[in-house]
Amino acid sequence: SAVISQKPSRDICQRGTSLTIQCQVDSQVTMMFWYRQQPGQSLTLIATANQGSEATYESGFVIDKFPISRPNLTFSTLTVSNMSPEDSSIYLCSVDTGVTNYGYTFGSGTRLTVV
Amino acid sequence: GENVEQHPSTLSVQEGDSAVIKCTYSDSASNYFPWYKQELGKRPQLIIDIRSNVGEKKDQRIAVTLNKTAKHFSLHITETQPEDSAVYFCAASGGASGTYKYIFGTGTRLKVLA
Repeated sequence: SAVISQKPSRDICQRGTSLTIQCQVDSQVTMMFWYRQQPGQSLTLIATANQGSEATYESGFVIDKFPISRPNLTFSTLTVSNMSPEDSSIYLCSVDTGVTNYGYTFGSGTRLTVV
Repeated sequence: GENVEQHPSTLSVQEGDSAVIKCTYSDSASNYFPWYKQELGKRPQLIIDIRSNVGEKKDQRIAVTLNKTAKHFSLHITETQPEDSAVYFCAASGGASGTYKYIFGTGTRLKVLA
C-alpha cells in the first residue's frame, strides 16, 4: 500500500489565521481525499482532489474556507483559512491508488487547535 | 445520498470473548465495504474489507459478513485480546455518492477487559 507523509502533525493557531497541511505520497495516486475528524467523532469527507482539475467539495465545505491544491500525482495541500475555534479538529489525507477495490490509506493526521 | 449507521457505539467484552459490530447502509448500489481500526491518537488502519459479490470473508480472528438483501454488514472478532481495544469504523462505497467515495459509520469504541 502507499506510504503517506503528512505534516505538520499538530499545530496551535490563532483565530483568523490560515494553516496549510501537506500530504506527500511515495507513489503516484489517482485520487486524494481530505477528511476531518472532530474529537470522538467519525470521519467526514471535505473534498476529493484530482490532479489537473479543481477539487470537488462535499456539502458544507467550500473552496474559500478549504482551498486545495493538487499539483501532481504524489502531492496535495489543504489550507484551513480564516480559522475559528470550531475548526479545531484532526485533518487527514487519504489516497486511493485507483486499483479496483483497494482500501484507502490514511496519512497520520494533523491535530489542529485554534485559540 | 448514502447513509451508514453503526451499532453499538460502545462495546465492552471480556478478553477471549467475541465482539460483533453491525452496520447498515442505505444505497443498494454500494459494492465495497471496508472496516477500519483506529487506536487512540493514530490513523485509521484498514483491517478487512468485503465486496458485494461475496457473502463472508475471514482473516484469522476477524471476519466480515454481508447481507445485500437487508443492506447490512457486520464485523466479527473472535478470541478478543486487549490489543483489539480501539475505535472501529465501517464504511460503504461504490453507490450513487461516487465509486471511490467512502461514507463512514459513526464508529464503535471496543474495550476488551483483561
